[in-house]
Amino acid sequence: GDSVTQMEGPVTLSEEACLTINCTYTATGYPSLFWYVQYPGEGLQLLLKATKADDKGSNKGFEATYRKETTSFHLEKGSVQVSDSAVYFCALSDQDYGQNFVFGPGTRLSVLP
Amino acid sequence: ETGVTQSPTHLIKTRGQQVTLRCSSQSGHNTVSWYQQALGQGPQFIFQYYREEENGRGNFPPRFSGLQFPNYSSELNVNALELDDSALYLCASRPSPTGGTGELFFGEGSRLTVL
Repeated sequence: GDSVTQMEGPVTLSEEACLTINCTYTATGYPSLFWYVQYPGEGLQLLLKATKADDKGSNKGFEATYRKETTSFHLEKGSVQVSDSAVYFCALSDQDYGQNFVFGPGTRLSVLP
Repeated sequence: ETGVTQSPTHLIKTRGQQVTLRCSSQSGHNTVSWYQQALGQGPQFIFQYYREEENGRGNFPPRFSGLQFPNYSSELNVNALELDDSALYLCASRPSPTGGTGELFFGEGSRLTVL
């Protein structure tokens, strides 16, 4: 079945440092790819998405590019802020084969001032 | 525009009991899905409802059941609670079951503790 693998956390960075969170996936069809973020005590919010190969999703300074050849969707940000501290989930939705989303285990990011 | 709302926010049950969790979908959304998020893990798909019928189910036993009402709100019922059912239960809605942007809109969740 479909699956998503993320780099192990937690990740601790200083403010203004560069961030990369790796995400790779396995899917039988042609999935859409997503990054969701969960702030403490809250539900998940969509951060960015890409629906086909080579698409780049971006939002709030975060970017991720859909790489079909490496089945990856790595999340990047050039300069993190304390307010970026949260748990980040990579996810896929394979519309041709089901209605559900498959989420990775999440990566906790802590940004120190 | 009203977002996804869930109730209750927290509850404690004992093993063997039954629980009902409720969800109101975002305005204009006719599709509701439920996810279980164990501590430190990603959400796991339980099932999805569209037009008051279940139209997708994850790897959960039959004691997990649901309903969708004509106003698109939904309930998740869990019978014969087990300790491993302790988790955050997330409801998510979207405008249609397939296609579109594919984005899920989540509520803040109901945290269930089973003792």
